Formats: sequence, structure tokens, C-alpha cells
Amino acid sequence: ETGVTQTPRHLVMGMTNKKSLKCEQHLGHNAMYWYKQSAKKPLELMFVYNFKEQTENNSVPSRFSPECPNSSHLFLHLHTLQPEDSALYLCASSQDRLSETQYFGPGTRLLVL
Amino acid sequence: GENVEQHPSTLSVQEGDSAVIKCTYSDSASNYFPWYKQELGKRPQLIIDIRSNVGEKKDQRIAVTLNKTAKHFSLHITETQPEDSAVYFCAASSPGSNYKLTFGKGTLLTVNP
Repeated sequence: ETGVTQTPRHLVMGMTNKKSLKCEQHLGHNAMYWYKQSAKKPLELMFVYNFKEQTENNSVPSRFSPECPNSSHLFLHLHTLQPEDSALYLCASSQDRLSETQYFGPGTRLLVL
Repeated sequence: GENVEQHPSTLSVQEGDSAVIKCTYSDSASNYFPWYKQELGKRPQLIIDIRSNVGEKKDQRIAVTLNKTAKHFSLHITETQPEDSAVYFCAASSPGSNYKLTFGKGTLLTVNP
């Protein structure tokens, strides 16, 4: 499937590194989301963008910094992460903020050493 | 905010049997209830959803039922097949939560041949 793509698929980083996750959607959607998926926990919504404007920050630590330059692209900039930040980071998109049906990307598996 | 509880956390069935996964929600204003399937190493994919104005929806071997009074909804899979093995997530959203999806913790379904 190529509707929502994410790169890289796997990432290992040290606590002092800076890296970025990229998400791209080819569905013509206007809303994009970042989720964190950890073992034995529900999917946690991190950020929401609607028409390039951030509409939600779910009390996410500042070491995670999102960027949405246009409706098709979403980035998550990472710096000075902690080992407990290791997880699968999923991007999703929907037609707009009022459309509940979300389409997910394959995720980036992040390991922080 | 919304709270979604999902049970069981693991479910093992024989091929051909039925499987039922149940979710309860706390916000009586919730009006959209999707179910996602996530196979190992893959993205969550929407398999069926239901809105609060209907009580049941079917799509081939999959059905979802909603009881608004009791605030619970269930996923029913009939004639299970090994390829149904995956983690299934329920979710709920309401206008009051800005249509944010709140997910359950997931159910690992294993269908034994």
C-alpha cells in the first residue's frame, strides 16, 4: 500500500542524537496525526494537524517537535530522547479533522539506546 | 475524557469457530466506533466501523454491534481463518473530544489451524 508512507522504517539512536521521522500521504487528505504505539498500551495520540495548523498537542514532551510544511507531509523531529521513548511511531491521515476514518502508515520502529 | 476498555487481551480460537471482542466506552456523546486490525509488523487497517445511529453492521464474516445504553460495542468474526490472526483495536470518538480517536489496548487473536 502506498497511501501513507513513513521513513525510515527502523531507527536506532543514542540519547544525544537528533533525528527526524517523515510521513507522506498521497490520499489528498488535510488532517495528519502522529501516534505512539508501545507494547501493552493503547495507541497514544501525540499531535494533530489540520490544514497545516497544529490543532492538538497531547501533552507531549518538548523533545518531540512536529512540523507540517504542507497537507501531504508531516515530520517528527527528535532530540535528546530517553530509552522509554522507544516505540513504534505511526503517522495517520484523514480527509479532515472532522472525518474520523484514519488511514495509517507502516510506522517507524524507534530504539533509543 | 473518553476511556475505552477492551477485552479480552488475548483470544485463541480454532479455525472455523467464532471470535468476539468487546469494548466499553465512558463518554455517552461518543458517536463513531471503528475497529482496526494490525497484523504483525504491519500498519493498523480499518476493517469495519459503526456510527451511533445504527445498532449493527455486517461485512461478510465481520460484524459490529453497538449498545448505546450500556455503552459497549463488540466485534464478531465468524468462520475464523488463520489469516484473521492479528491484533484488533477498538476506538471511539465524539464531537466533544474534537473527534479524537481513543483506542482500546488491543486484543491479540490467534486462529489455530
